[in-house]
Amino acid sequence: QKEVEQNSGPLSVPEGAIASLNCTYSDRGSQSFFWYRQYSGKSPELIMSIYSNGDKEDGRFTAQLNKASQYVSLLIRDSQPSDSATYLCAVKGDSNYQLIWGAGTKLIIKP
Amino acid sequence: ETGVTQTPRHLVMGMTNKKSLKCEQHLGHNAMYWYKQSAKKPLELMFVYNFKEQTENNSVPSRFSPECPNSSHLFLHLHTLQPEDSALYLCASSQEDRPSGANVLTFGAGSRLTVL
Repeated sequence: QKEVEQNSGPLSVPEGAIASLNCTYSDRGSQSFFWYRQYSGKSPELIMSIYSNGDKEDGRFTAQLNKASQYVSLLIRDSQPSDSATYLCAVKGDSNYQLIWGAGTKLIIKP
Repeated sequence: ETGVTQTPRHLVMGMTNKKSLKCEQHLGHNAMYWYKQSAKKPLELMFVYNFKEQTENNSVPSRFSPECPNSSHLFLHLHTLQPEDSALYLCASSQEDRPSGANVLTFGAGSRLTVL
């Protein structure tokens, strides 16, 4: 069974530092990868997608993909208290509509 | 109304009750989803509809019955549920004809279900 693994945390990072969130996946053939953010009591929202090996930057967020090692990570630079949330990693499954989800990493940014 | 709207936001029901969850999307998307979210577990895909045709049913027990009358509305009919069905039920939509569009989901706020 295809799986996506994330450390559940919580990961505590001081304000202004870099937060690093990691995700590993089991299916070597996976092609599409997504990071969703979920604030407490709210629904998930997409923040980054990545499809090619290497880095993809969007503002303070950088997604990194290494298909050979089967991991994808999310870096948050200059972390802010408003970044405190649970970050969900998702990998495209076999069908067009299927995403394989990790259980999420809870991130806490301490002022 | 904008985005994806779910009602009710909270629902408490007994094991013998029949209730329904409703979802409406105002984004013009062609696909709609029901997901189950339990504490500290990954999101579980339950059903997918594309242009109101069911395309996925991930071995969901028959006590959950989906209905999609059109591309904007999705229902989840609940009957004879078990306490372990207590969870957050999330509706989502996506537009397939964009790159990886089917995986770019817009979620509703969710319906928190408690089964007594």
